Amino acid sequence: KQEVTQIPAALSVPEGENLVLNCSFTDSAIYNLQWFRQDPGKGLTSLLLIQSSQREQTSGRLNASLDKSSGRSTLYIAASQPGDSATYLCAVRRSTSGTYKYIFGTGTRLKVLA
Amino acid sequence: EAGVVQSPRYKIIEKKQPVAFWCNPISGHNTLYWYRQNLGQGPELLIRYENEEAVDDSQLPKDRFSAERLKGVDSTLKIQPAELGDSAVYLCASTRRGGRPYNEQFFGPGTRLTVL
Repeated sequence: KQEVTQIPAALSVPEGENLVLNCSFTDSAIYNLQWFRQDPGKGLTSLLLIQSSQREQTSGRLNASLDKSSGRSTLYIAASQPGDSATYLCAVRRSTSGTYKYIFGTGTRLKVLA
Repeated sequence: EAGVVQSPRYKIIEKKQPVAFWCNPISGHNTLYWYRQNLGQGPELLIRYENEEAVDDSQLPKDRFSAERLKGVDSTLKIQPAELGDSAVYLCASTRRGGRPYNEQFFGPGTRLTVL
């Protein structure tokens, strides 16, 4: 059974700092991994999607890496801003043919201090 | 392109009452998901539709929950009767087969349900 863990559960950093959020999964047979951000009281906004054949994806100040063999993904945020404050969730999709089930982590709650 | 639309945004009901949530996915997205998110947790899948067919409802508590997706577009999730433990945010998401990025999920704003 796939389990997804995100550490730390909460993080508070000063503005301008570079930071790394971690996502670990127990079953390396994944199809893809997706990072989301969720603002309080809102739905999830997709940030980056990494296919199993890829090692990383970049969008602006965000960079996500994937190491399937070790069951890890990291989300790197450069030059953090107060507007980055949100909960960041990762989700993995199993690689079983026809399976479109995504398993989510519990998220990392990020606060960037001005 | 319009995003995933959900209504209502908030719903407060007394236990044992029925409640229904509505979702309109992004145009052209044939896969639709209903998730439940408890406070401080990640979303958990309740049911997935491919067009109008429910292909994964193994996590749906079928004694009180039901869902439908007539014509393979809009979907409704119903709870009858609601229990205190059903208080959560109900999220709808959709994906499109093919194209890039492949199978990226897009979420609606969710419906926050409070059962008193």
